[in-house]
Amino acid sequence: GEDVEQSLFLSVREGDSSVINCTYTDSSSTYLYWYKQEPGAGLQLLTYIFSNMDMKQDQRLTVLLNKKDKHLSLRIADTQTGDSAIYFCAETSRNGGSQGNLIFGKGTKLSVKP
Amino acid sequence: DGGITQSPKYLFRKEGQNVTLSCEQNLNHDAMYWYRQDPGQGLRLIYYSQIVNDFQKGDIAEGYSVSREKKESFPLTVTSAQKNPTAFYLCASSMGATATGELFFGEGSRLTVL
Repeated sequence: GEDVEQSLFLSVREGDSSVINCTYTDSSSTYLYWYKQEPGAGLQLLTYIFSNMDMKQDQRLTVLLNKKDKHLSLRIADTQTGDSAIYFCAETSRNGGSQGNLIFGKGTKLSVKP
Repeated sequence: DGGITQSPKYLFRKEGQNVTLSCEQNLNHDAMYWYRQDPGQGLRLIYYSQIVNDFQKGDIAEGYSVSREKKESFPLTVTSAQKNPTAFYLCASSMGATATGELFFGEGSRLTVL
């Protein structure tokens, strides 16, 4: 099936690093995405990685991609209370070429404790 | 500023009533989507439209209807046939099956059936 798997919860202390993991299903996915959702709001794209890359870094965010294991991770360095949100992993759908649709995981709720 | 506007943000409905959620975008995007979000369930695709006057069912289309008469607008009607309509509804748009496939989201509409 087209399931993107994520753990549902992660709790860290302010200043620590957070690592959110995701496994996806379609090895032909061109792009993989991380979205952030704050309470009561829509989703905002945090970052994405092209499938021919192993790593992408953008300020406090580091994305690692292991294509062999179909594993994607998002590391947030120096986690702040403002990073508390739900983080969604997403891949292009199996029919992405015609649908332009994304398949989302269920989201990981990150709680940052002061 | 360009973006996606959903309205209303909160909506209450009595059982047996149809309601229509509005979604407007000024990003000149070809594709538009409706997702439903339930706690711990992630995002599930209801309907999507790649072009004006055309739309396709997603994974959970039963009890919903849409129209795409204008490029900018993709309203969703939650009909009385939808058995469990209380949820958070998210509208999104994209340039279509091109480029990075990134989805841009509205701020969501929360529907509560009394």
